[in-house]
Amino acid sequence: DVQLQESGPGLVKPSQSLSLTCTVTGYSITSDYAWNWIRQFPGNKLEWMGYISYSGSTSYNPSLKSRISITRDTSKNQFFLQLNSVTTEDTATYYCARLITTVVEGYYFDYWGQGTTLTVSS
Amino acid sequence: DVVVTQTPLSLPVSFGDQVSISCRSSQSLANSYGNTYLSWYLHKPGQSPQLLIYGISNRFSGVPDRFSGSGSGTDFTLKISTIKPEDLGMYYCLQGTHQPLTFGAGTKLELK
Repeated sequence: DVQLQESGPGLVKPSQSLSLTCTVTGYSITSDYAWNWIRQFPGNKLEWMGYISYSGSTSYNPSLKSRISITRDTSKNQFFLQLNSVTTEDTATYYCARLITTVVEGYYFDYWGQGTTLTVSS
Repeated sequence: DVVVTQTPLSLPVSFGDQVSISCRSSQSLANSYGNTYLSWYLHKPGQSPQLLIYGISNRFSGVPDRFSGSGSGTDFTLKISTIKPEDLGMYYCLQGTHQPLTFGAGTKLELK
């Protein structure tokens, strides 16, 4: 069974960078699909942040493009989120998820992690 | 960005009810090949979101047949028949046709 698990610091100061890790078990991130970060703000709004594909290519939400980087460690079957210059508006629960990318059935998230809460505060 | 307008924001229900949730997109979600990438999710407190429907109307593995999806172009509907306690939570639609991927604002299904 495919499982994703986020980990991170929980608290970051404004202007610093946040780094989160998603550890995937039950499926190799180099086999297929795209590996994503999604966040949920207080108030429940969901925002897709970006992904790294099985081949290593990346795609980011333009609203974050200057601050975001998604990388991976294939030996550990992990992928990472780095978000620079954080502000209090980056306070959210961060999820990693697998995005199915097929021509006919489309783009959709079939497996999600449990989420990790990140607070930006001094 | 494609704006996805989801209604209603709150939906008070009784067990056994049948309800519908609507998502309307600011532009057509059909791509140049005629495929439409609209999916639905249920998010329960303390859990990760779970996929219900993909490709407008395909139920994901293990999803009961009381959940059904329909629609085309810019108008889509999730229908839940005979609501059960485990159906309570936040429902979201996602458009996957256009970058960036965008979600609806969510519908809270709660007890009357």
